[in-house]
Amino acid sequence: QVQLKESGPGLVQPSQTLSLTCTVSGFSLTSYNVHWVRQPPGKGLEWMGRMRYNGDTSYNSALKSRLSISRDTSKNQVFLKMNSLQTDDTGTYYCTRDYDDYFDYWGQGVMVTVSS
Amino acid sequence: DIQMTQSPPSLSASLGDKVTITCQASQNINKCIAWYQQKPGKAPRLLIRYTSTLESGTPSRFSGSGSGRDYSFSISNVESEDIASYYCLQYVNLPWTFGGGTKLELK
Repeated sequence: QVQLKESGPGLVQPSQTLSLTCTVSGFSLTSYNVHWVRQPPGKGLEWMGRMRYNGDTSYNSALKSRLSISRDTSKNQVFLKMNSLQTDDTGTYYCTRDYDDYFDYWGQGVMVTVSS
Repeated sequence: DIQMTQSPPSLSASLGDKVTITCQASQNINKCIAWYQQKPGKAPRLLIRYTSTLESGTPSRFSGSGSGRDYSFSISNVESEDIASYYCLQYVNLPWTFGGGTKLELK
């Protein structure tokens, strides 16, 4: 069955770089797009960026200067790296599969706290 | 970017009520809207795609409609398990954008 699972550090210091991994199973990264979406505590959802099935990427313009998404298809993993973290980057980060442009399956999310 | 204005931000309902949430897009989104349910501490769950198509497993008390810029999502006969937050998502254009969310509570 389709599964996505995020992993990464729960705590990141301000100005440091966040590195998250989304490990997928039940589908191929060369057939489906995978996105990253985040949610500050008690707030709404924000689309961050996309890794397409062909390796192309797209980013939210508000984050583009700090954000990089890559993948390792042999390991079924999609990576997110975001630098210069600030306290307002605190939140839950999700990876989600794109089926015909809408998001059908989501990971459980990983909570990231930016604090010294 | 397409802005999605979702209302109301919160909603109080009794069991068995019908509730409606709306999302207005800043431009025509050609019915490319999905609706998600999110319970505390959980990932969003897809309920409806392409305005009105129920995802497999979505109870029939959920429905969606709309066209152009204006869309709505309804729950008829609210049940206790429906207490959650709900979000719309437009997926017609990059960047994908969500509505601000609606928190459904029991009266």
